[in-house]
Amino acid sequence: ETGVTQTPRHLVMGMTNKKSLKCEQHLGHNAMYWYKQSAKKPLELMFVYSLEERVENNSVPSRFSPECPNSSHLFLHLHTLQPEDSALYLCASSTVGVKGDGYTFGSGTRLTVV
Amino acid sequence: GNSVTQMEGPVTLSEEAFLTINCTYTATGYPSLFWYVQYPGEGLQLLLKATKADDKGSNKGFEATYRKETTSFHLEKGSVQVSDSAVYFCALTLSGGSYIPTFGRGTSLIVHP
Repeated sequence: ETGVTQTPRHLVMGMTNKKSLKCEQHLGHNAMYWYKQSAKKPLELMFVYSLEERVENNSVPSRFSPECPNSSHLFLHLHTLQPEDSALYLCASSTVGVKGDGYTFGSGTRLTVV
Repeated sequence: GNSVTQMEGPVTLSEEAFLTINCTYTATGYPSLFWYVQYPGEGLQLLLKATKADDKGSNKGFEATYRKETTSFHLEKGSVQVSDSAVYFCALTLSGGSYIPTFGRGTSLIVHP
């Protein structure tokens, strides 16, 4: 139990499908993040929400659309994906402004685009 | 800008061997330093941290000391086990500025029986 729960754990979708990834934390954290982890590549920060406002969007294609309805929930809506989008998508949360506070990660969603 | 450099992997060891994974950093300001571990099929977990120079973080037999003079935060363990096989990430965050961590590329550790 990591404190950050991601669903589903595995997802296979066609290039024309629409799906959503869900992340939930009940740690009292006030920032949430989406990362993409591909084989043999560094962790890629996709989106950051702090106090429910998006504060960072690292040139992510528009086929990825985040949503943060409250401080405990984060979604990543997917549509018209490409095979190169296949990866492990990690959600994380933290408390902003606390020196030395680390991240808590979820177990990730393994996405395969066919 | 800020950056974290880790030694390339994989690191392959026999059980009970001594482990060192090197990590050096560049940062504007005074960072907090972290090691995360990612076991197969899982997300990253915080392993240990240090928030100021000369601090030593430790957990599960792993240690790392914040060396400001050499801008390093090397991870060590005296006797590794097969269950330590994982990918290890070094990271930093800056206080008072962007709180978003800078991660290294990760180092894969493989421990054989």
